[in-house]
Amino acid sequence: EVVLTQSPGTLSLSPGERATLSCRASQSVSSSYLAWYHQKPGQAPRLLIYAASSRATGIPDRFSGSGSGTDFTLTISRLEPEDFAVYYCQQYGTSPRTFGQGTKVEVK
Amino acid sequence: EVQLVQSGAEVKKPGESLKISCKGSGYIFTTYWIGWVRQLPGKGLEWMGIIYPGDSDTRYSPSFQGQVTISADKSISTAYLQWSSLKASDTAMYYCARLRSSVRNQPFDYWGQGTLVTVSP
Repeated sequence: EVVLTQSPGTLSLSPGERATLSCRASQSVSSSYLAWYHQKPGQAPRLLIYAASSRATGIPDRFSGSGSGTDFTLTISRLEPEDFAVYYCQQYGTSPRTFGQGTKVEVK
Repeated sequence: EVQLVQSGAEVKKPGESLKISCKGSGYIFTTYWIGWVRQLPGKGLEWMGIIYPGDSDTRYSPSFQGQVTISADKSISTAYLQWSSLKASDTAMYYCARLRSSVRNQPFDYWGQGTLVTVSP
């Protein structure tokens, strides 16, 4: 099983600041089959990024993904109030599919 | 508009059976994999398994194999998640979600609203 470790556990930032979230895999993620989601309290997760760097439909360009192999990054260039949430990475190249444990982005 | 609408919250006792549902609309139900994700109270997301409604091909995470059954009725565009004997540890929010394309190596792009299952004596 591919274990995804996200860091940091919590990121305390102010609106307008840049957020950098990390996702490290226990083995190489095949074909960069890595996605990012965010989840707000009481809501279902929402797909942000797939294939490590492609934005999903309707996702603003302040969200960007990068990385390959075992190290992946989600960057939010300027935090908007609606971006404060929990962020999860997921690999979908190897069975079983797995999620990271999440990074909470909170208001400082 | 793609929509996944899940059945309502359930409160059950240990040992009881349960089947929750997820109805898809706004797309061709038989041509996209649909799956289930568990979220324990206050915890992260766990990928449970997926089904291809077109031919009922089903894949499970080893953690959930034998613990739940995923099925689909393509005539009514509905997927199901069922338990034969619930445990208190099954208390969680369960989400259905659709894979982004007909290929299995895809993330989930549309999600249901979630079904809260509570198992308590």
